[in-house]
Amino acid sequence: DAGVIQSPRHEVTEMGQEVTLRCKPISGHNSLFWYRQTMMRGLELLIYFNNNVPIDDSGMPEDRFSAKMPNASFSTLKIQPSEPRDSAVYFCASSLLPRGSNQPQHFGDGTRLSIL
Amino acid sequence: KNQVEQSPQSLIILEGKNCTLQCNYTVSPFSNLRWYKQDTGRGPVSLTIMTFSENTKSNGRYTATLDADTKQSSLHITASQLSDSASYICVVANNAGNMLTFGGGTRLMVKP
Repeated sequence: DAGVIQSPRHEVTEMGQEVTLRCKPISGHNSLFWYRQTMMRGLELLIYFNNNVPIDDSGMPEDRFSAKMPNASFSTLKIQPSEPRDSAVYFCASSLLPRGSNQPQHFGDGTRLSIL
Repeated sequence: KNQVEQSPQSLIILEGKNCTLQCNYTVSPFSNLRWYKQDTGRGPVSLTIMTFSENTKSNGRYTATLDADTKQSSLHITASQLSDSASYICVVANNAGNMLTFGGGTRLMVKP
């Protein structure tokens, strides 16, 4: 089991640039989640998908953020244009069942994003 | 407002000692409560998931308790090891399953 794979692990870019974060969930999992973690706010859910369909994107902070899941094995989180306050660690997680059920979410090791 | 409060914010203990981390929540209606361990630079890893009807669950040296009446949970670590140094996050799911509320975490440091 390869686990949830995220890329890149680290990203440093200048404000105004487009940033794309990538995630490959565990094979067979049908729910995928994007989180953001900062020291000030802890872990925050941004958006989640069931069977590749976005279910709840109420956590997406602004229109600058968008997420897609074109197939069961790949998802992207895009920020355009990026701002310094977007600096955080972004996690992707996947699970077998929709969240709230008694199945754990499996997290990737995150992308540490720094916007200068 | 749904909230999950954890205490202490940070804790330092000596290797081999036991410790207990606390979690109080106001999430309603309640579905389940989860404890995650997050090592520095890594993603959170699930330790336990407890439903309303469960009041204790163990995973090796980790034992979680749940009191649904008082809306409190604890995570007890027995015979701590250096590798237990991490952040421990309490997460509560509501009954509809459409909202997870995260605690701010307890940062544990185990010293030799």
